[in-house]
Amino acid sequence: QSALTQPRSVSGSPGQSVTISCTGTYSDVGIYNFVSWYQHHPGRAPKLIIYDVTQRPSGVPDRFSGSKSGNTASLTISGLQAEDEADYSCCSYAGSSTYVFGTGTKVTVL
Amino acid sequence: QVQLQESGPGLVKPSETLSLSCSVSGDSVSHYFGSWIRQPPGKGLEWLGFIHYFVDSERPTYNPSLKSRITMSLDKSKNQMSLRLSSVTAEDTAFYYCARLRDANNMKYFDPWGQGTLVTVSS
Repeated sequence: QSALTQPRSVSGSPGQSVTISCTGTYSDVGIYNFVSWYQHHPGRAPKLIIYDVTQRPSGVPDRFSGSKSGNTASLTISGLQAEDEADYSCCSYAGSSTYVFGTGTKVTVL
Repeated sequence: QVQLQESGPGLVKPSETLSLSCSVSGDSVSHYFGSWIRQPPGKGLEWLGFIHYFVDSERPTYNPSLKSRITMSLDKSKNQMSLRLSSVTAEDTAFYYCARLRDANNMKYFDPWGQGTLVTVSS
């Protein structure tokens, strides 16, 4: 069970869009539509921002969106804001009641 | 509103056992899928496992890579979940988080999470 691969960092200016990729295998991201994304500010509890690939929990701004193609899931932040600067991690169900997380991506707002 | 809070020693000696608790408020662990997740400094998150009650018995599921060293449990009377990790090494130094796992046929995700607690393994 290897960690899902994410870029180490992405950056963008306020108002721009950034996309974070999350690459797994057919056995996790590829076969299951159970990819979730978490926003993590240092010292605070990680926050769920996307679940089941595309679903957004109540209270999460609609500038956050998720998608999936093959073995790669993606999180897009449209209209980047200063408060979006944080770490983001993906997670996929991997079968047999197991889960695997991504390597994490730091988003910097320039 | 469900809230979780981890607690336990911040320093554990190599080869000893790491023990953490997670207090749950706003929900009952009796019908709860409780999970533990950790993040070594500078690295990504790692799912450790989850536990729930099924017909009055605890049913844990562990990350295969840690299965021989890890034990999770639930305490209904204290509304807590617990983690024990034996024979720790420096590689077990990490922030440890508890989280509620939503696990159903049509949804699977972790929400909410506790703030996490740093455990350092060092002599």
